[in-house]
Amino acid sequence: SAVISQKPSRDICQRGTSLTIQCQVDSQVTMMFWYRQQPGQSLTLIATANQGSEATYESGFVIDKFPISRPNLTFSTLTVSNMSPEDSSIYLCSVGGVNEQFFGPGTRLTVL
Amino acid sequence: AQSVTQLGSHVSVSEGALVLLRCNYSSSVPPYLFWYVQYPNQGLQLLLKYTSAATLVKGINGFEAEFKKSETSFHLTKPSAHMSDAAEYFCAVTANSGGYQKVTFGTGTKLQVIP
Repeated sequence: SAVISQKPSRDICQRGTSLTIQCQVDSQVTMMFWYRQQPGQSLTLIATANQGSEATYESGFVIDKFPISRPNLTFSTLTVSNMSPEDSSIYLCSVGGVNEQFFGPGTRLTVL
Repeated sequence: AQSVTQLGSHVSVSEGALVLLRCNYSSSVPPYLFWYVQYPNQGLQLLLKYTSAATLVKGINGFEAEFKKSETSFHLTKPSAHMSDAAEYFCAVTANSGGYQKVTFGTGTKLQVIP
């Protein structure tokens, strides 16, 4: 299993600003995943972050809006840039393989 | 390509009654299937998973699910609902495709338990 922590757990931000979310895993992993859960909706994969290479973004998500860093095998950051109220969501970090995934507690973001 | 369909965004049951949450999947390769539970203001917790072993999978809190390939279903059941089961439940599918794995979630089912 993997234990995942995220910082911050929640934040309230002003429109036009940026927020960087940190994800720390207690073991080395090759792939880390970032999800968004908009209010009342399911989880949507934003991107997959491999250490040592650029993140792979899903359709509808772009690097300029959601830049990701992956400096080592236990850590990743997701930045939500130039925020608008539509970015208000829970952002979750995840690790795992095809037969099991582990999720962080999430970062609850509210944009005013 | 893979997808998950959860029938019923809201399900209400009486305390002590059977819980049945429906999930159908589509996958071009043999799938791995999961049920997650999310309590209010909390993260996702794995309830159970199917990874090509036994088709009847038992999970935590008395839940179980049966993988039926012929029906492409993975419905979640619990014989007797408890008030603490009130939460949102997500069905998910993953598959290996060309070395790339991706989790696809259903839209979720909110379970209400009526005393």
